[in-house]
Formats: sequence, structure tokens, C-alpha cells
Amino acid sequence: DAGITQSPRHKVTETGTPVTLRCHQTENHRYMYWYRQDPGHGLRLIHYSYGVKDTDKGEVSDGYSVSRSKTEDFLLTLESATSSQTSVYFCATENRTVAEPQHFGDGTRLSIL
Amino acid sequence: KQEVTQIPAALSVPEGENLVLNCSFTDSAIYNLQWFRQDPGKGLTSLLLIQSSQREQTSGRLNASLDKSSGRSTLYIAASQPGDSATYLCAAKAAGNKLTFGGGTRVLVKP
Repeated sequence: DAGITQSPRHKVTETGTPVTLRCHQTENHRYMYWYRQDPGHGLRLIHYSYGVKDTDKGEVSDGYSVSRSKTEDFLLTLESATSSQTSVYFCATENRTVAEPQHFGDGTRLSIL
Repeated sequence: KQEVTQIPAALSVPEGENLVLNCSFTDSAIYNLQWFRQDPGKGLTSLLLIQSSQREQTSGRLNASLDKSSGRSTLYIAASQPGDSATYLCAAKAAGNKLTFGGGTRVLVKP
């Protein structure tokens, strides 16, 4: 696909701890996205980036922050994890034309106990 | 606010039967409509993208149609195979260039 690597693939942590998820792409796509996928809610946008150091909030951004210091890396941080943030997190990239789809990584399964 | 719905949530068919998957959206002012496949434990794989000016798009056994006026898209999979078993999601790209996803239809093709 678009060469998207998410790390870690699985993580279990405790409430109140900070967590950082990493998304790395090799396609030089300008746009990057973080989604969470939950039963009954589908995929929901958390944050997105439209360039280095340029980010904006999505539908469910509370409790999350992001950073993009290089084109290829997009980090999602949970400053103080809560059980409601247990989910599967997906990173996606896009070359931003209306004719091109988004490309997805394989996801990170995060469990907060 | 755009809302995307996929009904039914699950579908089971015998091998060889044609599959018809439905997607409806509330705001017809879309840039494109995308169909994805998701296998268990995996990310989403793009299947077809229909631009707002198009009525359909085809790739192999897959055909997707788009009717913006009625807010509907349909994905047809001809002569289904067990390997087609997966969850299929549709997503509409609209204002702000963001994708809004449906809840998906889980498909099981029985040999």
C-alpha cells in the first residue's frame, strides 16, 4: 500500500499514564490522519495534519494531541489515558486530490486498564 | 453534519451469488464516495473511488454506483468467493475534505 507503519501494534497500559502512538509513511503524502474505530461508532477522525507543523482537530479530539515535525511522521499522544480511550487507532495518509483514496496503516490496538 | 449509513450490518451468502452492499448519505454535496475493505485485525484497503461527477466505477468483479440526488451508493460484487468475506465500509468526502464513514457491512461468503 502507501508504506504506512504504525507502532506499536498492540499496547496495554494503565489509566493516567501517557501514551504515544507513531505513524510513519514513506510515500511523501502531505496529509495524514488519526482515526479511532469502535464498535457501534465506526471510524471517527481524531486529528489530522496538512503539512509539517500544521494540524487541526477532528470529530473526537478531546484528550488527544498530535505533532508532526517531519513529513513522514505523525504522532498521536494521550496525555493521561482513560479507559474510554481503549480502541483501535488507525493512521491514514492522502495525496489530496479528489481522485485519490486515503491509505491506511494496520492499526494499533490500545487497551487502557 | 454528514451521516453515512450502511444497511444491513451483516450479510451471509452462498459462494457464487452476487453481493449487493448499500450505502446512504445525508448531504449530497460530496466530493467523492469511497469503498473500502477491512479484514480482521487489518487496516482498510481502498476498493473503488467514485468522484461526484461520475455515476459508477468498475474494477474486475467490483462495480460501484453513485446517485447523489438520492444520497445512495451501491457496491456490487459479482460471483462472490469465500475470499470476499470481510467488512466493507463506505465513506463520503465532503466539506473540509474529510471522510465520514459508515458503520460497515460484515460479509460472509459460505463455500
